[in-house]
Amino acid sequence: GAGVSQSPSNKVTEKGKDVELRCDPISGHTALYWYRQSLGQGLEFLIYFQGNSAPDKSGLPSDRFSAERTGGSVSTLTIQRTQQEDSAVYLCASSPMTVQETQYFGPGTRLLVL
Amino acid sequence: GQSLEQPSEVTAVEGAIVQINCTYQTSGFYGLSWYQQHDGGAPTFLSYNALDGLEETGRFSSFLSRSDSYGYLLLQELQMKDSASYFCAVRGDNFNKFYFGSGTKLNVKP
Repeated sequence: GAGVSQSPSNKVTEKGKDVELRCDPISGHTALYWYRQSLGQGLEFLIYFQGNSAPDKSGLPSDRFSAERTGGSVSTLTIQRTQQEDSAVYLCASSPMTVQETQYFGPGTRLLVL
Repeated sequence: GQSLEQPSEVTAVEGAIVQINCTYQTSGFYGLSWYQQHDGGAPTFLSYNALDGLEETGRFSSFLSRSDSYGYLLLQELQMKDSASYFCAVRGDNFNKFYFGSGTKLNVKP
């Protein structure tokens, strides 16, 4: 069956530009997570959606980061005025509400800010 | 705050047994999870412990001691394909946040 998909798989942008990352969760999964992973590092929690609602946005690194989810499905993570330190792999995961410990991850978007 | 500690790298030979430890500090605890990530790949779920004791799934087992804030992942009959990074993760204090350790890179040698 279809897993979590993310697009684009790779993104190279210039400092100061805005980027939009997309996540398509597994159909029927109501929980959706965004993480950031720098090279050789662990996963940094960014934000969680329950349905279309994000109860806690405190994990977002700065006000340049925003995320939304529509229709309880697709989510977009937007980074405005990108900086070089934003370069990382951005991972999305989804899970059924009843089994939240099991997260299914997408392949990630590799973002490089020049 | 939350913190998880695990060794940065472990090396073992094919067929051997290896244990990857994880100690955690969290203001709220709902369970310890383990994920595997191959180079360039996405993390995949391995196991979850909410209660003390050992959970076994094939060649992999995971253990939790809540009183010691400690858990481990045990990999038996190591295979070359087990070479990957292994992350422990806990659900944070507001129930909706997950915190991951920095990962343990397992190198399996012939």
